[in-house]
Amino acid sequence: DAGITQSPRHKVTETGTPVTLRCHQTENHRYMYWYRQDPGHGLRLIHYSYGVKDTDKGEVSDGYSVSRSKTEDFLLTLESATSSQTSVYFCASREAGALDEKLFFGSGTQLSVL
Amino acid sequence: RKEVEQDPGPFNVPEGATVAFNCTYSNSASQSFFWYRQDCRKEPKLLMSVYSSGNEDGRFTAQLNRASQYISLLIRDSKLSDSATYLCVVKGSNNAGKSTFGDGTTLTVKP
Repeated sequence: DAGITQSPRHKVTETGTPVTLRCHQTENHRYMYWYRQDPGHGLRLIHYSYGVKDTDKGEVSDGYSVSRSKTEDFLLTLESATSSQTSVYFCASREAGALDEKLFFGSGTQLSVL
Repeated sequence: RKEVEQDPGPFNVPEGATVAFNCTYSNSASQSFFWYRQDCRKEPKLLMSVYSSGNEDGRFTAQLNRASQYISLLIRDSKLSDSATYLCVVKGSNNAGKSTFGDGTTLTVKP
């Protein structure tokens, strides 16, 4: 499987504080994604990147920003965390032009905003 | 209306049973279709892609009906280890590849 790691794995924070989640991949994949998953729901796209410094919004981008300064790193920032952002966050990456278009996921970050 | 809809289940079946999941999608321009499997509290993993002609991988068969905009997954001879949530995933034609996930169908296979 692709080498994609997320940090931290768990985080508890307080409402109003900024939080940054990190995704690191060692596969030189061009595309990277941040999803959130809430109980009983599938994954919803927050932001994605199609190259270094090239990012775009997903369906639930409000309150989140991202940065990609290197191919291997994709950072997700909650500018001022709210309780509604308590969720499990998954990062994923994909190789450009791959025939199977397979998404490789990190193990997830459980974020609790109190 | 959600872009990708699945019956959430849960589906509770005995070992050896055959079970089928359906998924519908709303964007007729969608180009690629997949089934992912997600075990409890784990990351999703690709189970299989879905091709227009239908495709099989061991006990798993996936089919696509573009006219009706639905995808199906059939599992034959269910095993205990098949217990998981199955996510239907649809991707548009844009190469940036925004994939839209259904909410998942939960399967529990019992002895």
